[in-house]
Amino acid sequence: DSGVTQTPKHLITATGQRVTLRCSPRSGDLSVYWYQQSLDQGLQFLIQYYNGEERAKGNILERFSAQQFPDLHSELNLSSLELGDSALYFCASSAFWSSYEQYFGPGTRLTVT
Amino acid sequence: QQQVKQSPQSLIVQKGGISIINCAYENTAFDYFPWYQQFPGKGPALLIAIRPDVSEKKEGRFTISFNKSAKQFSLHIMDSQPGDSATYFCAASIGTGNQFYFGTGTSLTVIP
Repeated sequence: DSGVTQTPKHLITATGQRVTLRCSPRSGDLSVYWYQQSLDQGLQFLIQYYNGEERAKGNILERFSAQQFPDLHSELNLSSLELGDSALYFCASSAFWSSYEQYFGPGTRLTVT
Repeated sequence: QQQVKQSPQSLIVQKGGISIINCAYENTAFDYFPWYQQFPGKGPALLIAIRPDVSEKKEGRFTISFNKSAKQFSLHIMDSQPGDSATYFCAASIGTGNQFYFGTGTSLTVIP
């Protein structure tokens, strides 16, 4: 168990809808990362937050957004969902923005129908 | 464009054998190379990692070999066990706290 928690575990929704995925980092970790894992694209970095501020941005669509709250939990918001957004979404955390080691949560499986 | 290329896509090894997974990269700015192990239904778990200032790192049955001039690194699993059956991902990052570029993964099956 990495200590990173993600909810919900599974999410099924329809095209055009909006969902929110939640992540709680390991105790004491200040940095949160979001990744998307799909069969055709593999594991892709989406975005990183450190202590409430955006630090790095990867292949994140404009329909997606994230934030990190004062208690350090993070939420990934996915809107105007398309079938192609069906994937596993992982959150990872690290102690500082300058830490090499990232610890992954169990993921949220999103199915868009 | 895949920043980190991983092979093979799948691997079947007999119990007790050596599993070898290879990765190659182009960006010489990468300075951290972790390997992650992922079991079905779970998130990737950090297995072992190396920085480019060393050529080899060993932790138990797991060894990373790093060839800076060839821009390649590999994971060796000695005395492979059925419990090692999982998907393995190599990755690379530039600097600290930055995004990881993952390989496409290798599905390892260790046959008893």
